[in-house]
Parts: sequence; C-alpha cells; structure tokens
Amino acid sequence: EAGVTQFPSHSVIEKGQTVTLRCDPISGHDNLYWYRRVMGKEIKFLLHFVKESKQDESGMPNNRFLAERTGGTYSTLKVQPAELEDSGVYFCASSQAPNYGYTFGSGTRLTVV
Amino acid sequence: DAKTTQPPSMDCAEGRAANLPCNHSTISGNEYVYWYRQIHSQGPQYIIHGLKNNETNEMASLIITEDRKSSTLILPHATLRDTAVYYCIVGAWRRDDKIIFGKGTRLHILP
Repeated sequence: EAGVTQFPSHSVIEKGQTVTLRCDPISGHDNLYWYRRVMGKEIKFLLHFVKESKQDESGMPNNRFLAERTGGTYSTLKVQPAELEDSGVYFCASSQAPNYGYTFGSGTRLTVV
Repeated sequence: DAKTTQPPSMDCAEGRAANLPCNHSTISGNEYVYWYRQIHSQGPQYIIHGLKNNETNEMASLIITEDRKSSTLILPHATLRDTAVYYCIVGAWRRDDKIIFGKGTRLHILP
C-alpha cells in the first residue's frame, strides 16, 4: 500500500510569490489533515478534510492560505502571497476514520526568502 | 491546547526498555490515548493507541492506569533508530476531533 505522498519535498521561493503544495493521501482514506511545523515550534494543526469538505479549518493562519480537495482525492495547499514567517515544514496526513492512526507524509520543507 | 504532560527529555541505553510516561489527568471517558513519534526530518509516525485496556503491537506496548489519568509507552528493546520525539496525545474518536501535538519527550538512545 502506497503511503501519503507530498510534493514537492522542498521549495524555496521569494517573499510575495505563490507556492502550491500537494498531498496524495492513502487511497480510500476520507480524512485528510494538514499540519505545519515552524522552526523551534510545535507541530500545529491547520485543517481537516472529510472527503472534499472542510470539516475544520480553525488552524489556518490567515487568508493567504487556501486548501482544496476537489473530488475528495488529493489536496493542495496554496500560499499566496508567501511571507517569511510561512517558512517551515508542512505535513499532510490521512486516516480511514477520524483520529484513527494517522499516516503522515514526509512533509514539504518551505523556505521563503 | 495539549491535554497531556510529558517530561521534555529522557535517556535510555540501547537494548534496554524505554518507558515513556504521560499524564492526562483531565481525560474524558470517550477519549483515547495516542502515541506518535517524529524521527528527525521525517513525518510523524503513529505508534499505538488505547482507551482503557493495555495494548501491544509490533512497535510498542501501552500501559494505561486504571483511573486513566496516566499512561506509559514501552519500547521493549530500544535501538538507536528509536531516537525521536515521542508525543502522547488524547483525543476522541469523533468526526470533529483531531490530533493536537504538544511538546513531547525527546528520547535519546545511548549506545
């Protein structure tokens, strides 16, 4: 069984540019989560999809972040325009049932310069 | 806010059992105890979870006290590859709940 795949693994962009992160969950997993770890800080929850619907987006930092999951398969997280404080590692996870054994991807390391 | 308390760091000799404690005195009746770990530069990894009974899988054992206010994760034969940050998390098996990470315990396995 393929795991959770995230693309790209690394991204370096300039302040003000746009970046789109992609997450492919495990096939059949309705629940998809985005998390972020900023250097030196704890891993923070961003949002939770159930199929294509946003179940909880309480962790999204501001309106520069837009997450989508069209068709309930893969998800994208767009940051537009990127700011320096957006640098960090963005993790995606999926699970069969809510709060049941999340499988995380390897993350996308975003650096905004 | 994280609902658990863990020591910030622990050491364990390679080959010995690593026992990681966690306090969750405000846990609700429908909340599970989950353990995850993050090995440097990798995504977090699910280890085990339990409600009130002790649990064991190929990675670890989870011992939950009878009053459910604390638990211990046991890695029976720690190896250098078990060096990681271990997170004890409580959460409900509900559609609107999610995993919230705290600071965790940084486990150092000593050769």
